[in-house]
This record gives sequence, C-alpha cells and structure tokens, in this order.
Amino acid sequence: KQEVTQIPAALSVPEGENLVLNCSFTDSAIYNLQWFRQDPGKGLTSLLLIQSSQREQTSGRLNASLDKSSGRSTLYIAASQPGDSATYLCAVSPRPQAGTALIFGKGTTLSVSS
Amino acid sequence: NAGVTQTPKFQVLKTGQSMTLQCAQDMNHEYMSWYRQDPGMGLRLIHYSVGAGITDQGEVPNGYNVSRSTTEDFPLRLLSAAPSQTSVYFCASSRRDRLEKLFFGSGTQLSVL
Repeated sequence: KQEVTQIPAALSVPEGENLVLNCSFTDSAIYNLQWFRQDPGKGLTSLLLIQSSQREQTSGRLNASLDKSSGRSTLYIAASQPGDSATYLCAVSPRPQAGTALIFGKGTTLSVSS
Repeated sequence: NAGVTQTPKFQVLKTGQSMTLQCAQDMNHEYMSWYRQDPGMGLRLIHYSVGAGITDQGEVPNGYNVSRSTTEDFPLRLLSAAPSQTSVYFCASSRRDRLEKLFFGSGTQLSVL
C-alpha cells in the first residue's frame, strides 16, 4: 500500500530564508506527483505537478524535484515571504486511470515571520 | 468561471440524519473525487469518478454513496450520519485528456452531533 510521508510536520523560518520541504513515498510506481498549498479554512491549490518521467518543475520562486527511484520529492522555496505561510501537501497519483484519486501526505505547516 | 463549487459550506446534523453534499464544476472535467480531511489524518479519498456513469471506492467509502449522472455534478450522500463523519469534505476535479493539476472546491465543514 502506497504511503506518503512529509517531514517536518511544522517549520518556522525568518523572512528571506531559502527552505526545503520533503516528501517521501513507499512505492516508486507513480504516475505523477503534485505539490499543493492550503491556507487555513480554504481548499487546496495545486502549485506544481511533476510527471514520473520528469526530474523537476519550476514556477517562480518554487522548484519541485522528483527522484522516483528513491521515493523522494522536495519543494524548494526561495527567498521566503510571510505570504508563503500555509500548509504544503504532496500527493502521488498511482496510475494514469486513477484520475483524481491521489494519495496525500499529512502536510508541512510553514510559518514565515517578518 | 466558477471552477469547483461545493454547497453547503457548513452543516450540522444529528446522528442518523441523511444529507447530500453538492459538488459542481463548470470546466468540463472528466475526473472528480471526494476527500475528507481530519486533524492528524490528512486527506483521505472517499469516492472518485473517471466519467459520467462511472464511480469507484476510495480508502474510506463506508457510510457514503455517490453517483455521476452528468459530467458537471458529483454529489456525496451520507445515508445515516454518525459522529465519526464529522470532518471537512473537499471535492476535486481535473481533465482526462492531458496531464493537469487538480482543482479543489472550498470545502464543506460538517458536524454530526
């Protein structure tokens, strides 16, 4: 059974710091991996999607990497800002036919202080 | 473009009552799903659908029913509410014909007393 783990569960950093959030999964047979952001009391917003054949994806200050063979992904946030404070979740899709049936980690709650 | 719309936003039920959580999307997405989010448990998949008339069970389907009669709508029915179903429920959708990110609704906070 696929399991997704995110470490740490919570992280506090000062504004301007570069940081890395970690995601690991137990079964390397994944179709894709997504990183999401969730603000308190809100739904999830997809930040980056990495196909299983890709190594990384970038969007602005965000860079996500994928090492499928080792079952790891990282989300790198450059020059963090207070507006980056949120919970970040990673999720894997086990197969193309799974559609929106993803397996989620429990998330890392990030707090960026000014 | 409304995206994924969930109603109601908040609901309080008594044990044994039934109700339907509504989910509608206006993006012509083939894929839709329902998740519940509980403290310390993360998001867990309840049911999902890869197209109209096709549904399948996720990790925690007991106590919930779904149907997908149209592409746009994917309602979640609680047959006889239990306190263990107190949670925040999220609906999500995405396209099938190319790799695309998931779009989530804003959630329904459900309390069962």
